[in-house]
Amino acid sequence: AQKITQTQPGMFVQEKEAVTLDCTYDTSDPSYGLFWYKQPSSGEMIFLIYQGSYDQQNATEGRYSLNFQKARKSANLVISASQLGDSAMYFCAMREKTGGTSYGKLTFGQGTILTVHP
Amino acid sequence: DAGVTQSPTHLIKTRGQQVTLRCSPKSGHDTVSWYQQALGQGPQFIFQYYEEEERQRGNFPDRFSGHQFPNYSSELNVNALLLGDSALYLCASSYGTVQETQYFGPGTRLLVL
Repeated sequence: AQKITQTQPGMFVQEKEAVTLDCTYDTSDPSYGLFWYKQPSSGEMIFLIYQGSYDQQNATEGRYSLNFQKARKSANLVISASQLGDSAMYFCAMREKTGGTSYGKLTFGQGTILTVHP
Repeated sequence: DAGVTQSPTHLIKTRGQQVTLRCSPKSGHDTVSWYQQALGQGPQFIFQYYEEEERQRGNFPDRFSGHQFPNYSSELNVNALLLGDSALYLCASSYGTVQETQYFGPGTRLLVL
C-alpha cells in the first residue's frame, strides 16, 4: 500500500492565484511528521514546510500553508499568490517510526508538477 | 552558512563498475541520509549515518554501502553497477534528534551505460 499518495501528476495555475496540491498518507503510528519539498529542474530538494502529527494548528511559512486534516489523513499544500518561480515538482513526504523506532527516514510520494502561467 | 554539498555533480559509468559519491553536510549537522531518485519518481531512502555508523537502511542490496567520517561527511559506494542504478542520488543532512528537518544537497546524477 502506498504510504504517501499524490493524485495530481500535474497542476496549472495562473500567476498571483492560489493553488492546492493534494497529499494523503497512510500510517498507524500516532507520532509522525509530514513535509513538503520543492524540486526545481536543477534537482535540489528544497524544504518548504513541516507539520507534526500532534501540532494543533496548521503550519504556515510565508506563502506556503499546510491544510492538515488528521482524521482524513491528508496534508495538502496551499501556495498563495503563485509566482513564475514556483514552477517545479512538489513532493509530500512522511517520517514515521519503523519497528518501534524512528531514525528520520522519509517516505516520499510520486510528486506533482506545478506550472505557473503568466 | 554553507548548505549540503555533493560531488561530483554528474557521473557516467559502465555496467559492472564501482562508483563513490560524496556528501558534506550543512554546517552544524551530524546526520547524513542518502536517497535514490529514479527519473519521474520520488526519492527512495537508501540509508542513514549517525556517529559514523549506519543507523537505518532502506530496501537496497548490499551493493550499496556507505561510510561517515569524523567530520560528518559521508560517502555512498555502489559496486557492480547495473543499468537500473542510473538515477539522481541525493544526500540530506540533519542534526541529531530524529525530529529535525532534513536538508538536501543538489544531488549527483549517475548514468550507467
